[in-house]
Amino acid sequence: EAGVAQSPRYKIIEKRQSVAFWCNPISGHATLYWYQQILGQGPKLLIQFQNNGVVDDSQLPKDRFSAERLKGVDSTLKIQPAKLEDSAVYLCASSNGLAGDSSYNEQFFGPGTRLTVL
Amino acid sequence: GQNIDQPTEMTATEGAIVQINCTYQTSGFNGLFWYQQHAGEAPTFLSYNVLDGLEEKGRFSSFLSRSKGYSYLLLKELQMKDSASYLCATTDSNYQLIWGAGTKLIIKP
Repeated sequence: EAGVAQSPRYKIIEKRQSVAFWCNPISGHATLYWYQQILGQGPKLLIQFQNNGVVDDSQLPKDRFSAERLKGVDSTLKIQPAKLEDSAVYLCASSNGLAGDSSYNEQFFGPGTRLTVL
Repeated sequence: GQNIDQPTEMTATEGAIVQINCTYQTSGFNGLFWYQQHAGEAPTFLSYNVLDGLEEKGRFSSFLSRSKGYSYLLLKELQMKDSASYLCATTDSNYQLIWGAGTKLIIKP
């Protein structure tokens, strides 16, 4: 079974530029997550999709961050314009559980995109 | 509020045993996960506890006490490859994962 794919693996941009990340979840996984992980911290959920609908985007800085999951499979996360504090690893994860599902719901992570904003 | 606490860093010797503690306060509780994260890599699943007690899986065991809001991850027969960060995460009343900051484990020969 193929894992979660992400690209690019690394990206360096200057502040105020735009950047986009791509994620392809495990086939059949309905739920997709984007996390931001700053060095030395745990992952912070940015947005959760179930199929192509948003379940939770309460921690997404909507003035600069946007995400979509058209057709309920691949997803893109965009930052426009980037700030220095956006430097982090952006992790995509997927699971076959559904929002509010009481059953065990392991998340599978992609390799992440390391973003450096100069 | 929601809060997860775990030590920032621990050091142990190859071949020894180490216990990494995690305490949590969440609005509702629906299970606790432990993930391993090597430097520069994505987290990978280690264990899941939803009932009190000890779950053993090879060299790794995880314990949960819901009444105390406490869990630990026990690593036996430590190997150099176990050097990594260990992340504790709980699921809240909405089944969302709430992550701790992670414990960096350093294994010395």
